[in-house]
Amino acid sequence: EDQVTQSPEALRLQEGESSSLNCSYTVSGLRGLFWYRQDPGKGPEFLFTLYSAGEEKEKERLKATLTKKESFLHITAPKPEDSATYLCAVQAGTGRRALTFGSGTRLQVQP
Amino acid sequence: GAGVSQTPSNKVTEKGKYVELRCDPISGHTALYWYRQSLGQGPEFLIYFQGTGAADDSGLPNDRFFAVRPEGSVSTLKIQRTERGDSAVYLCASSPGSQETQYFGPGTRLLVL
Repeated sequence: EDQVTQSPEALRLQEGESSSLNCSYTVSGLRGLFWYRQDPGKGPEFLFTLYSAGEEKEKERLKATLTKKESFLHITAPKPEDSATYLCAVQAGTGRRALTFGSGTRLQVQP
Repeated sequence: GAGVSQTPSNKVTEKGKYVELRCDPISGHTALYWYRQSLGQGPEFLIYFQGTGAADDSGLPNDRFFAVRPEGSVSTLKIQRTERGDSAVYLCASSPGSQETQYFGPGTRLLVL
């Protein structure tokens, strides 16, 4: 059974204080690993897709990396508007299209 | 362009009642997905449509849940004899047929009293 574990559950940072969020996964042949951002009361907003170990993607202050067992979302010099829940999800390489999500990391960036 | 839309945004019903939740996918997207999200948890898969047919309904919790997509665009999730445990946010997502990224709508917040 595919599993995704995210840590920490919650993280509070000062503005400008860089950090990383972790996503550990077990899956039957990874087809893709996805990062989403979710604001309160809204649907998940797509950030990145990673397909193979060693791959990295960047967008503004965010950088996602992937190994064979985990993914990291690095946040450099965060701003208060980066406050949100960050969700990680995997898609198995068995042909199944469903995403398996972790419970998310709630990030709060204080000014 | 327009994203995934869902109606209603909020639905309050009584235990035992029937509800329908609607999803309008991004224009041209052939794949459509339904997920359910409980407070403090990530979304959980319910059902996936490719075109008009349900390609994977393994996430539907029981036979009170049913979904249709008759013309390959709009989808309706139907819940019969609602229970308090059905209270959650129901999310819809769509993707282009040739890509994997799923784009989510804002969700319908269902509260069963």
